[in-house]
Amino acid sequence: KAGVTQTPRYLIKTRGQQVTLSCSPISGHRSVSWYQQTPGQGLQFLFEYFSETQRNKGNFPGRFSGRQFSNSRSEMNVSTLELGDSALYLCASSAGSQWSNEQFFGPGTRLTVL
Amino acid sequence: AQKITQTQPGMFVQEKEAVTLDCTYDTSDPSYGLFWYKQPSSGEMIFLIYQGSYDQQNATEGRYSLNFQKARKSANLVISASQLGDSAMYFCAMREGRDGTASKLTFGTGTRLQVTL
Repeated sequence: KAGVTQTPRYLIKTRGQQVTLSCSPISGHRSVSWYQQTPGQGLQFLFEYFSETQRNKGNFPGRFSGRQFSNSRSEMNVSTLELGDSALYLCASSAGSQWSNEQFFGPGTRLTVL
Repeated sequence: AQKITQTQPGMFVQEKEAVTLDCTYDTSDPSYGLFWYKQPSSGEMIFLIYQGSYDQQNATEGRYSLNFQKARKSANLVISASQLGDSAMYFCAMREGRDGTASKLTFGTGTRLQVTL
């Protein structure tokens, strides 16, 4: 089985712009979660989508949004970029949303905001 | 209180030796899963091992084993026969069973392991 894929791998944007990141989960997985990783805050949960519905959301401003398509692929959008949005954005794929389900991560998208 | 605590920011181990990475957790939920991930410098999070709160046996996956002590709320990762390729950041994480939160993984701050010759 192919693993989780994320595109693009690297991105450079300027303040005020918006960005869209894409994630394709493992085939058959219906849950996609997004995490932000920064040196200062560590790994923080952004949101989770399951069967096209947002199931859970972390403590991030409304500038961060996402969606999931019928084929389980997910996109994450950040509008009005700020310098502090520079981070590694990781997508995780899971067969379900249960506490026992393993989450498998993609390689991440490294976003730099100038 | 921190949900996941990893008290070792950095560890050194010699090649072929065993090493234990510490992790303690805090939850009042009886249903939870504990996970360990490896993150090399490339950034990808690699799943290593999982332990469920109701599992009676300690989890093992090849050279990785999890020393699960439920009463102490600890879930230490043991890596046997360390290899140079084991040098990376290691994260302990937890998923709780409460409705609405089960999808979220809560991570510790990580331990950077360096394997030396």
